[in-house]
Amino acid sequence: GQQLNQSPQSMFIQEGEDVSMNCTSSSIFNTWLWYKQDPGEGPVLLIALYKAGELTSNGRLTAQFGITRKDSFLNISASIPSDVGIYFCAGQLSGGSNYKLTFGKGTLLTVNP
Amino acid sequence: SQTIHQWPATLVQPVGSPLSLECTVEGTSNPNLYWYRQAAGRGLQLLFYSVGIGQISSEVPQNLSASRPQDRQFILSSKKLLLSDSGFYLCAWSVHGGRNEQYFGPGTRLTVT
Repeated sequence: GQQLNQSPQSMFIQEGEDVSMNCTSSSIFNTWLWYKQDPGEGPVLLIALYKAGELTSNGRLTAQFGITRKDSFLNISASIPSDVGIYFCAGQLSGGSNYKLTFGKGTLLTVNP
Repeated sequence: SQTIHQWPATLVQPVGSPLSLECTVEGTSNPNLYWYRQAAGRGLQLLFYSVGIGQISSEVPQNLSASRPQDRQFILSSKKLLLSDSGFYLCAWSVHGGRNEQYFGPGTRLTVT
């Protein structure tokens, strides 16, 4: 099936640093979603993107829908300890099912206070 | 506002025993419903989705089945569990006919011994 390449797989940063992660694919997507999952819980939707070039913020989080429609980026500014968790990108393929999302394998973020 | 519930939260079952996991959604009508499994390696695998009562689509041939007896109830079942069925099971919902923003429940941790 289709794959999303999410990188980096893990990050270890100091509190206050900015974070950047991304997802890329060889296929075109018409929707990009970013989720955060805390240990033992379900993923929580952070940001949804629907148009190429779209830049959307949610507090300290900013995500962009790549202009080629094959990638997306998530930035976290001034990280804090509660940012710890796994961040997933997910996309809906252009021309694909309206019900299916393709998920990246996640970026594990650790923030040292 | 919408709320999604899953139970039980954790379950330990012997090999060969039956399984029933339940998911219910409140605050919305005729949602699309999804079952995912998340293995230790983090990836989210779509197992089943449903766009209406009694309508089930299976994504992966396996030892599991799903049913949707009521509009906002989604059940994941097995007649005989295998060791490989262990994992974290997530239910999700999205707006029927809307954008494919999927909202996840808290999950059920299943350990087959």
